[in-house]
Amino acid sequence: QVQLVQSGSELKKPGASVKISCKASGYTFTGYSINWVRQAPGQGLEYMGWINTNTGNPTYAQGFTGRFVFSLDTSVSTAYLQISSLKAEDTAVYYCARGTFLDYWGQGTLVTVSS
Amino acid sequence: EIVLTQSPGTLTLSPGERATLSCRASQSVDNYLAWYQQKPGQAPRLLIYYASARATGIPDRFSGSGSGTDFTLTISRLEPEDFAVFYCQQYDSSPKTFGQGTKVEIK
Repeated sequence: QVQLVQSGSELKKPGASVKISCKASGYTFTGYSINWVRQAPGQGLEYMGWINTNTGNPTYAQGFTGRFVFSLDTSVSTAYLQISSLKAEDTAVYYCARGTFLDYWGQGTLVTVSS
Repeated sequence: EIVLTQSPGTLTLSPGERATLSCRASQSVDNYLAWYQQKPGQAPRLLIYYASARATGIPDRFSGSGSGTDFTLTISRLEPEDFAVFYCQQYDSSPKTFGQGTKVEIK
């Protein structure tokens, strides 16, 4: 069965970096793009962008350029989201999700940024 | 970027009642619209894609309609497990965008 399993919660200080993983199983990894979605506490879903799992080409939504980097390791069917220069407002649950219309989702990774 | 506006913000209904949720796009998205359900502490779940196609395992009490700029998600008879927040999302143009959500709560 299709699964996306994300890495565990992170507690980081402002200015630090974090790298979240999203490991796919149950399907051909390069057959579907991987999307990233942010959800701040008590807020709605915010689309961050996606990465083409064939070419590795990322596309970032407005507001997610510069400090946010999507990457892949296709040998282990895993996508990554790295956030640098963390700020308190980056505190959120980050989700990965598969494909054009996000048919399967990871369980989410809580990133807490606090001094 | 395309803005999706969902209404109402909150819908208060009883089990067994019909729920009608609206999603309006700032420009045409053809039929490239999906609906998701999110319960507290859980990841969103895909309900509807291509505006009206039910995702695998979704009960037929959930239905989607519309095209262009106006879309509707209908839950024909609310079950206790249906109370949640619902989001629409367009994938016609980049970046994909979400609506702000409609909360369906128990009366």
